[in-house]
Amino acid sequence: QVQLQESGPGLVKPSETLSLTCTVSGGSISSSNYYWGWIRQPPGKGLEWIGNIYYSGSTYYNPSLKSRVTISVDTSKNQFSLKLSSVTAADTAVYYCARFSAYCSGGSCYSPDFDYWGQGTLVTVSS
Amino acid sequence: QSVLTQPPSVSAAPGQKVTISCSGGSSNIANNDVSWYQQLPGTAPKLLIYDNNLRPSGIPDRFSGSRSGSSATLGITGLQTGDEADYYCGTWDSILSAGVFGGGTKLTVL
Repeated sequence: QVQLQESGPGLVKPSETLSLTCTVSGGSISSSNYYWGWIRQPPGKGLEWIGNIYYSGSTYYNPSLKSRVTISVDTSKNQFSLKLSSVTAADTAVYYCARFSAYCSGGSCYSPDFDYWGQGTLVTVSS
Repeated sequence: QSVLTQPPSVSAAPGQKVTISCSGGSSNIANNDVSWYQQLPGTAPKLLIYDNNLRPSGIPDRFSGSRSGSSATLGITGLQTGDEADYYCGTWDSILSAGVFGGGTKLTVL
């Protein structure tokens, strides 16, 4: 059974960089046909896809966040990470990491779904 | 403003059936598979339906999915109070080259 666990600071100051790590257990992050993704949910609002990464380092990012987002992978630790720069109060949200099951080629991913999720971690942006 | 459109809320009585719609376009639902997620209060989303109409192991057959053209539908029969949750549809948008979700639908079992 694959399990994911987010970790990182729960409070970030405006204009600083939000950094989170997701640790994967019960399976290898280097498995083929799986990407690893970040999704966030502002309080009382819906889900927003942030981006995905393959174990090789190939990434897809939400166009609205692309200029501020970096997702990286560390296969030796079975972890992947999120960095979001220049944060504002609008970035306050529960951040989830999840396994993204899909076949991706070029700019498209086919049969996409997030089949395993972490429990989520609340990150508040405030001075 | 979500790329995929869902009704904000639906409601039905215990034991009844409800459907939740998810409307998109040619760059997403019309040409890619749809998944559905259930988010119980205070918990992480859980995959409910994948590839339009397939259920992961452990999901009861009271939950079903379908896709036609640029729309998808989640159906729930034999409603239980434990089904009260937010439901989200999701897929990939080939123009955005990005994953997209619907805005979510809150199900109330009266």
